[in-house]
Amino acid sequence: GNSVTQMEGPVTLSEEAFLTINCTYTATGYPSLFWYVQYPGEGLQLLLKATKADDKGSNKGFEATYRKETTSFHLEKGSVQVSDSAVYFCALRQGGSEKLVFGKGTKLTVNP
Amino acid sequence: DSGVTQTPKHLITATGQRVTLRCSPRSGDLSVYWYQQSLDQGLQFLIQYYNGEERAKGNILERFSAQQFPDLHSELNLSSLELGDSALYFCASSVAVSNTDTQYFGPGTRLTVL
Repeated sequence: GNSVTQMEGPVTLSEEAFLTINCTYTATGYPSLFWYVQYPGEGLQLLLKATKADDKGSNKGFEATYRKETTSFHLEKGSVQVSDSAVYFCALRQGGSEKLVFGKGTKLTVNP
Repeated sequence: DSGVTQTPKHLITATGQRVTLRCSPRSGDLSVYWYQQSLDQGLQFLIQYYNGEERAKGNILERFSAQQFPDLHSELNLSSLELGDSALYFCASSVAVSNTDTQYFGPGTRLTVL
């Protein structure tokens, strides 16, 4: 079945450090890929998405590129801020199905 | 603010009881999804409704049921509650049923079963 694997957390960085959170997926066909963020005590917010191979999703300085050849959708940010501290979820949505399949989440803490 | 509302925010109840969680989708969204977030299972899809009809089912227990009403709000009913049902329950909505549609999540209902 479809699945998403994220790097285990937690991840702790200093402000202005470079961030990478790895995400790989298993799916048939061409799923849409998403990154959601969950700030403490809040629901999930869509951070970015990509719907076909080689698409790059970007938002708030975060980027992720849909790589079909490596079945990956790694999240990157060049310079993190304390306000980026949150849990990040990678997810896929298979064609013909509307449900989201989530990874286990990666907790990011950014220290000043 | 995603525009999706969920009530109540917190719910504490005892084993064996029944509760109802409510969700109002964003204005104009026809599709509603329910997800459960627990420490051991992570985020799991439970069930989806589209314009009042059940459209997809995930890992939803038989003790759980849901419906979507004509005004498009949805309710998730959990009965014969067990300790393991303690979790955060999210509702999400989207415009339609394309796999490229964005799902917008509500703030969640935290259920604690004692």
